[in-house]
Amino acid sequence: GAGVSQSPSNKVTEKGKDVELRCDPISGHTALYWYRQSLGQGLEFLIYFQGNSAPDKSGLPSDRFSAERTGGSVSTLTIQRTQQEDSAVYLCASSRTGGNTEAFFGQGTRLTVV
Amino acid sequence: AQSVTQLGSHVSVSEGALVLLRCNYSSSVPPYLFWYVQYPNQGLQLLLKYTSAATLVKGINGFEAEFKKSETSFHLTKPSAHMSDAAEYFCAVSDTGNTGKLIFGQGTTLQVKP
Repeated sequence: GAGVSQSPSNKVTEKGKDVELRCDPISGHTALYWYRQSLGQGLEFLIYFQGNSAPDKSGLPSDRFSAERTGGSVSTLTIQRTQQEDSAVYLCASSRTGGNTEAFFGQGTRLTVV
Repeated sequence: AQSVTQLGSHVSVSEGALVLLRCNYSSSVPPYLFWYVQYPNQGLQLLLKYTSAATLVKGINGFEAEFKKSETSFHLTKPSAHMSDAAEYFCAVSDTGNTGKLIFGQGTTLQVKP
């Protein structure tokens, strides 16, 4: 596609349920990032994928969070046993080669845990 | 560690007035610096970036920013505000590992009054 695509755009889930958020990066982009945007914490880095290298998971807030990137393209962020503090907008970005090439952001998934 | 501080969570200007959004950074190495804009319910869009080529950086929509090493600042300016400039603006610094991971400031909401 022309840009980074995220789905769903909105997700409401009950506390304790698992959720999966999807990111489809720009074709050919080797680097993919997940960020979380919340009222109290601003924009926080979560995880970074670069090609076939092991991902940088240093930003994941707990072991309830995980992500994978299949075939170097689509990525899924999974949150297990959701908590109310997980409510936020989850943004995905991709860039051509990582480093300081421009990162293009998707419109985000707004997650609400009730 | 890298960090970014945006002074003023809300800035209000009149249409046609100068826009000045402040950003100070902390970095152990020469930084790469970015300004992003976020319109309501949208992802982040790159306005401009500093990568050491020139201290005065021109971006899209008439915005520019000047890198001042002595002041560790990267303030964003626009000579004349338009109503369409109303949005949230984020300053960011790239991490030292050349991964493209971004560390964001808390954001500044720009209001433009008619």
